[in-house]
Amino acid sequence: AQSVTQPDIHITVSEGASLELRCNYSYGATPYLFWYVQSPGQGLQLLLKYFSGDTLVQGIKGFEAEFKRSQSSFNLRKPSVHWSDAAEYFCAVGDRGDKLIFGTGTRLQVFP
Amino acid sequence: SQTIHQWPATLVQPVGSPLSLECTVEGTSNPNLYWYRQAAGRGLQLLFYSVGIGQISSEVPQNLSASRPQDRQFILSSKKLLLSDSGFYLCAWSGRTGKRNTEAFFGQGTRLTVV
Repeated sequence: AQSVTQPDIHITVSEGASLELRCNYSYGATPYLFWYVQSPGQGLQLLLKYFSGDTLVQGIKGFEAEFKRSQSSFNLRKPSVHWSDAAEYFCAVGDRGDKLIFGTGTRLQVFP
Repeated sequence: SQTIHQWPATLVQPVGSPLSLECTVEGTSNPNLYWYRQAAGRGLQLLFYSVGIGQISSEVPQNLSASRPQDRQFILSSKKLLLSDSGFYLCAWSGRTGKRNTEAFFGQGTRLTVV
């Protein structure tokens, strides 16, 4: 069955530091992959998506993610984190059918 | 452009009372529709999804049900709420490219507290 794993429940970084959030997926075919961000008490906002083509995907707010088929990974990165990036981040995979399967999320805390 | 509306934003209900949360989508036709629940400190759990009017798939056995009476309307219901139904409920829609989903777009969520 398709699944998404986000191994880091909680990450803390200093403002200005680089960031990498991990995501591993299990999927039998070429996946559609997504990263979402959620501020407290809000819905989810799409950061970026991968459908096909270039494996390095640029998103909003300075985020990027790289699809690595050999590692079944789609890690999210940002070179310099801002305090406003503190939020919860979700990785998702498009199912073979019509479902979107989400990981359990990574909560990002940013210290000044 | 497409928009998704979800209401109410917050709701406090006593145990044993009924529930009805509504979600509507504008600006698109024949969307896939989803209900997710997010319990405190946990990820997103898919509750129901629908690929068309009257077509509902349930992901987990529970005290809740869903209905899709119109193409762009998705309703989450319960006849008798339990304490464990408390959580943050999110409605979402997605389109299709070929046979696959596009990205999902989320409503602002409903915070349900059962007391």
